[in-house]
Amino acid sequence: AQTVTQSQPEMSVQEAETVTLSCTYDTSESDYYLFWYKQPPSRQMILVIRQEAYKQQNATENRFSVNFQKAAKSFSLKISDSQLGDAAMYFCAYRSGVLETSGSRLTFGEGTQLTVNP
Amino acid sequence: DVKVTQSSRYLVKRTGEKVFLECVQDMDHENMFWYRQDPGLGLRLIYFSYDVKMKEKGDIPEGYSVSREKKERFSLILESASTNQTSMYLCASSFYDLTSYNEQFFGPGTRLTVL
Repeated sequence: AQTVTQSQPEMSVQEAETVTLSCTYDTSESDYYLFWYKQPPSRQMILVIRQEAYKQQNATENRFSVNFQKAAKSFSLKISDSQLGDAAMYFCAYRSGVLETSGSRLTFGEGTQLTVNP
Repeated sequence: DVKVTQSSRYLVKRTGEKVFLECVQDMDHENMFWYRQDPGLGLRLIYFSYDVKMKEKGDIPEGYSVSREKKERFSLILESASTNQTSMYLCASSFYDLTSYNEQFFGPGTRLTVL
C-alpha cells in the first residue's frame, strides 16, 4: 500500500518570503500522480498543483512550484512571494496510475498548517 | 464551476443515533468519495463509489455504510453513532478517467459531533 508523509505539522513564513513544504511517499509503482491541495480556514479544499510521475519537468502554477525527485520519492511544494491568503492547511496526495476501477482514489499525507506573518 | 455540496456544515448527534450525511455534485462525475479528516491524521478514505449502486470500501469503513441511488448523490450513513466518530467529514467527486489527473473536487465539509 502507498503511504504519504508530511513531516512538518506546522510552518510559518513572512509575507513576501519563500517557503517550502515537504512531502515524501512510498510506492512500488512507476506510474502515478501527485497533488498538493490547499484547505483555507473554513473553506473548501482546492487543488494547488499536480505532477505526473513520468514527466521529469517540475510543475509550476504562478507562485507555486514543486520539486519532484522521483528516485528519492520526494514531492515538495515551494510557495514564492507568500501572501496572507496562502495561509491554510496544505495536503500532499498520491494517486496510482494503475488502471483499475478503484484507480481514482487518493492517499493523503497528514497535512502542514502554514501561517503567513504580515 | 464544479459544485459539491454537503447537507450540513455542523451536526450534533447523540450516541446510538442513526446519522445521514448527504453529498450532491453537479458535474456528472462518475466517482464520489467520503473522507474523514482528523488532526494529525490527514484525510482517510471511508468509502467511494465509481458508479450508481457501486461502492468500494476505503481504509476505514468500519461503523459506516454508503448509498448511491443517483449519480449526483452519495450518502454516508452512521448506523449507530459513537463518540469516536466525532470528526470532519469531506465529500469529493471526480471523473472516471484513469489516463488523466482525475482531480477531485471537494465539498465544504460537515463537522459532526457525537455526544
